[in-house]
Amino acid sequence: AQSVTQLGSHVSVSEGALVLLRCNYSSSVPPYLFWYVQYPNQGLQLLLKYTTGATLVKGINGFEAEFKKSETSFHLTKPSAHMSDAAEYFCAVGPFSGGYNKLIFGAGTRLAVHP
Amino acid sequence: DAGVTQSPTHLIKTRGQHVTLRCSPISGHKSVSWYQQVLGQGPQFIFQYYEKEERGRGNFPDRFSARQFPNYSSELNVNALLLGDSALYLCASSSLDSGSPYEQYFGPGTRLTVT
Repeated sequence: AQSVTQLGSHVSVSEGALVLLRCNYSSSVPPYLFWYVQYPNQGLQLLLKYTTGATLVKGINGFEAEFKKSETSFHLTKPSAHMSDAAEYFCAVGPFSGGYNKLIFGAGTRLAVHP
Repeated sequence: DAGVTQSPTHLIKTRGQHVTLRCSPISGHKSVSWYQQVLGQGPQFIFQYYEKEERGRGNFPDRFSARQFPNYSSELNVNALLLGDSALYLCASSSLDSGSPYEQYFGPGTRLTVT
């Protein structure tokens, strides 16, 4: 079975500081991994994804994540936080084979950015 | 290009009633998935439809049903509403057969409140 654990339901950083949001996954098959961002009262926006190939993936808004198979991790980072980064971030794993395109999400991490 | 659209935006229903939520996928996308996001949690998979056939179902009771139409739009129906059905219902579309087949693009959601 596949599952996702996001460590830290709330993370607070200063503007300009490093952002690190942690995600660990469990999967019996090679995973596809995703990070989504959700702003208040909105849907989910895809930040970045890992499917195959390069383990360091870059996404939108300066975010990047590194797939580490040995650690079953896919942590999200950004070198310098901006006030506009304040949102909820979700890590997800999927899909299943045979066109079964289900995503399993973590519980989310709420990022606060203070001046 | 229009993204995923959902209607209505907000809905208030009484316990025991039924509700129909609607979703139009991105043009060219043939797969639609539905997720339930309870406040403070990550989205939970409800259904996936591809080419008008159910491809997957999450751990939800039979009160939840869905269908996909020839134009690939979709409806989610919930009967005998319970207070616990109050949530943000998200629709996501994906192509499954071209481009980035497993990327899911989410709509803004329908906020359902059951009183």
